[in-house]
Amino acid sequence: RKEVEQDPGPFNVPEGATVAFNCTYSNSASQSFFWYRQDCRKEPKLLMSVYSSGNEDGRFTAQLNRASQYISLLIRDSKLSDSATYLCVVNGVTGGGNKLTFGTGTQLKVEL
Amino acid sequence: EPEVTQTPSHQVTQMGQEVILRCVPISNHLYFYWYRQILGQKVEFLVSFYNNEISEKSEIFDDQFSVERPDGSNFTLKIRSTKLEDSAMYFCASGGLSQETQYFGPGTRLLVL
Repeated sequence: RKEVEQDPGPFNVPEGATVAFNCTYSNSASQSFFWYRQDCRKEPKLLMSVYSSGNEDGRFTAQLNRASQYISLLIRDSKLSDSATYLCVVNGVTGGGNKLTFGTGTQLKVEL
Repeated sequence: EPEVTQTPSHQVTQMGQEVILRCVPISNHLYFYWYRQILGQKVEFLVSFYNNEISEKSEIFDDQFSVERPDGSNFTLKIRSTKLEDSAMYFCASGGLSQETQYFGPGTRLLVL
């Protein structure tokens, strides 16, 4: 089983649509969870951390289910500028450092 | 807003040559990282660095790779003898006291011919 698994997409959605991405992770000892966004040939940028209680940041909502080892991201009222690859990222703190483990990413294309 | 910077943005080198990739992490951060992303593939962890020593490294980070923090601001990745398969985007990242969130630099695109 892959350490972090995501549907690669692409998800093609019209502007204003709601879209959901899912992710599963294999290491039950993982400590922290994130969604990063990556534009073509650019660096990953932190979108939001993911907490067990669920958290929201504007149009973005993230959920974590530790029992199922499942993470989700919901984007409401999608904009053209949301077009990017969304990376599910897991961090298991080991020793004195933190190793981020990335999924392959889910590509989103928002269209007019 | 403080950000991680990297130089050069692009580097082309011949197989077998040494390259040094440079990074300036966010100034009050204590944890430093290198990741790489081969074109079309996922971002992969290479190494983490804290308190002037390597805290963790991946299988990719073999004897050809080394990291250094030569002064209070720079963090470098050296590849001693580059191979064709080292061609990738190399990202530096840094993190603060929380040990959680990591902020990435814009990357250096390395092409080995």
